[in-house]
Amino acid sequence: GQNIDQPTEMTATEGAIVQINCTYQTSGFNGLFWYQQHAGEAPTFLSYNVLDGLEEKGRFSSFLSRSKGYSYLLLKELQMKDSASYLCAVLDSNYQLIWGAGTKLIIKP
Amino acid sequence: IAGITQAPTSQILAAGRRMTLRCTQDMRHNAMYWYRQDLGLGLRLIHYSNTAGTTGKGEVPDGYSVSRANTDDFPLTLASAVPSQTSVYFCASSAGSGGTGELFFGEGSRLTVL
Repeated sequence: GQNIDQPTEMTATEGAIVQINCTYQTSGFNGLFWYQQHAGEAPTFLSYNVLDGLEEKGRFSSFLSRSKGYSYLLLKELQMKDSASYLCAVLDSNYQLIWGAGTKLIIKP
Repeated sequence: IAGITQAPTSQILAAGRRMTLRCTQDMRHNAMYWYRQDLGLGLRLIHYSNTAGTTGKGEVPDGYSVSRANTDDFPLTLASAVPSQTSVYFCASSAGSGGTGELFFGEGSRLTVL
């Protein structure tokens, strides 16, 4: 079966750095997405990786290793507004998105 | 502001009743999707449409139907609601089909079936 694994919850301190991991086992791979979802709101797009390596976008970076079936989202200079769930999703060989359950990130002052 | 509008925002429904969740987008996107989100689970695709006039089944289509009469509207119908359909429903769209593009989501419809 297809599977996306992310930690259920993480806690970090304002101003610090946090890394949210995502491992996947899917039938084929056509890219990996990260979305941010604040409580009670819609998910919003953060990043898309299809090639190995690091993609940096401001305070957020996303890394992909296809050979390891692994990605991480790196958040720097954490702000209170970064408290949210972070969803990892993989596009499989049929171009269907397979979603992880999400990682709830709690930022403490 | 351009985007996706869902209605209703929240609804309590008796089991056995018929319910249609509305979704309208003004971005002229080709592809539209309906997902459900349940606690502890990832988003699960119910139905999708790659372009007006076509629809397809997702991971959990049973008990749901959709139509895509035009580019902008993609309603989701529960013919006879059951308690297991209690969930938050998200409509989404993307510029292209094939899944490689960014998804834009509506604000969600919280449905409770009693």
